Amino acid sequence: ETGVTQSPTHLIKTRGQQVTLRCSSQSGHNTVSWYQQALGQGPQFIFQYYREEENGRGNFPPRFSGLQFPNYSSELNVNALELDDSALYLCASSLDNTDTQYFGPGTRLTVL
Amino acid sequence: GIQVEQSPPDLILQEGANSTLRCNFSDSVNNLQWFHQNPWGQLINLFYIPSGTKQNGRLSATTVATERYSLLYISSSQTTDSGVYFCAVNRDDKIIFGKGTRLHILP
Repeated sequence: ETGVTQSPTHLIKTRGQQVTLRCSSQSGHNTVSWYQQALGQGPQFIFQYYREEENGRGNFPPRFSGLQFPNYSSELNVNALELDDSALYLCASSLDNTDTQYFGPGTRLTVL
Repeated sequence: GIQVEQSPPDLILQEGANSTLRCNFSDSVNNLQWFHQNPWGQLINLFYIPSGTKQNGRLSATTVATERYSLLYISSSQTTDSGVYFCAVNRDDKIIFGKGTRLHILP
């Protein structure tokens, strides 16, 4: 059974650019959640996708958007990057939208 | 929105000691999970525990949903237990994490 994977591992962008982060969910899981974790803080919920539909969103602006594909993998897109977007981005998959979450290793984004 | 508070924020213990970490939440929740984040940033699921008590080796957890708190017990601590422990609650299709308890286990 393959766990949750994320790509890329690290990424450096400049302010104003756009970025796409990818997440492959654990086999059999239909729900993916995305989080932003700034240094020294707890993860902040961005949004959740359940069966390809957005199913809950945290307090993030519309320039944070996402997709979930028919195979339940997911993308997080961030437009017009700002310096404060520098963080560890985590995705988690679960069997459904109320079940145990399993996290990927994260993508560390640096915005210069 | 719902508030999640964890205590203590930091804890330093000698190897072999026991510890209790607490998570308080301000409103009813659909579920609650405990996680351990290792020094490399990987979040490991410890317990899915919306209510009741569960045990897994040296770790156990209890959630008293009616009183809006959960406790994580670590017995006979090992240096590999070091890291940050988070609780996270699910309510209204949002998942809220606490700020974590940073645990240092000294050899």
